[in-house]
Amino acid sequence: GAVVSQHPSWVICKSGTSVKIECRSLDFQATTMFWYRQFPKQSLMLMATSNEGSKATYEQGVEKDKFLINHASLTLSTLTVTSAHPEDSSFYICSARGTGAGLAGRSYNEQFFGPGTRLTVL
Amino acid sequence: GNSVTQMEGPVTLSEEAFLTINCTYTATGYPSLFWYVQYPGEGLQLLLKATKADDKGSNKGFEATYRKETTSFHLEKGSVQVSDSAVYFCALSNTGTASKLTFGTGTRLQVTL
Repeated sequence: GAVVSQHPSWVICKSGTSVKIECRSLDFQATTMFWYRQFPKQSLMLMATSNEGSKATYEQGVEKDKFLINHASLTLSTLTVTSAHPEDSSFYICSARGTGAGLAGRSYNEQFFGPGTRLTVL
Repeated sequence: GNSVTQMEGPVTLSEEAFLTINCTYTATGYPSLFWYVQYPGEGLQLLLKATKADDKGSNKGFEATYRKETTSFHLEKGSVQVSDSAVYFCALSNTGTASKLTFGTGTRLQVTL
């Protein structure tokens, strides 16, 4: 239980194009989703927090117009990197917390992580 | 602000060896402390946690004790297995796992036969 998937697992795009990354909770309702990015040999850095049906809350220094987050349903959140540039190349990871049978025995407050998406911008 | 420092890897051990991965932190207030593990191709999983000073978190043979006096939360296991090969992340949060997690850089563990 408590499975979170991400799609795609890796993507290569040209500079100036936009890329959408999906994060899905497969067996529970994700009331809150988190998006992180990780540079090589560095920590996971929280980019934003989104609650289903509400606008995302972005961390300081994260451009909300560049990293568009949509959390329109209880099982899906998307991160769109608009007008991507090489410096946006990174590993993007989502996590989710929520309710549902898939979380039986788990704490409501626990975050469950997706496997990550590697973005390379040429 | 909050920060987590953990030892750089990779750490390479033979099976049945003793494991220590050091983690120290800087935080305001009284944070909760966590260790996450990421197996190849999978998402981060919560391995263990401790919510107050002197608490010991344990799971799957791994242990870590919340040491407020040294601001540390070192991960230990008495006898590692090949299946323990993964990346281990130390993290903290001021309000449980639901809110903002501050992560260390991760330590890759490779266990060989």
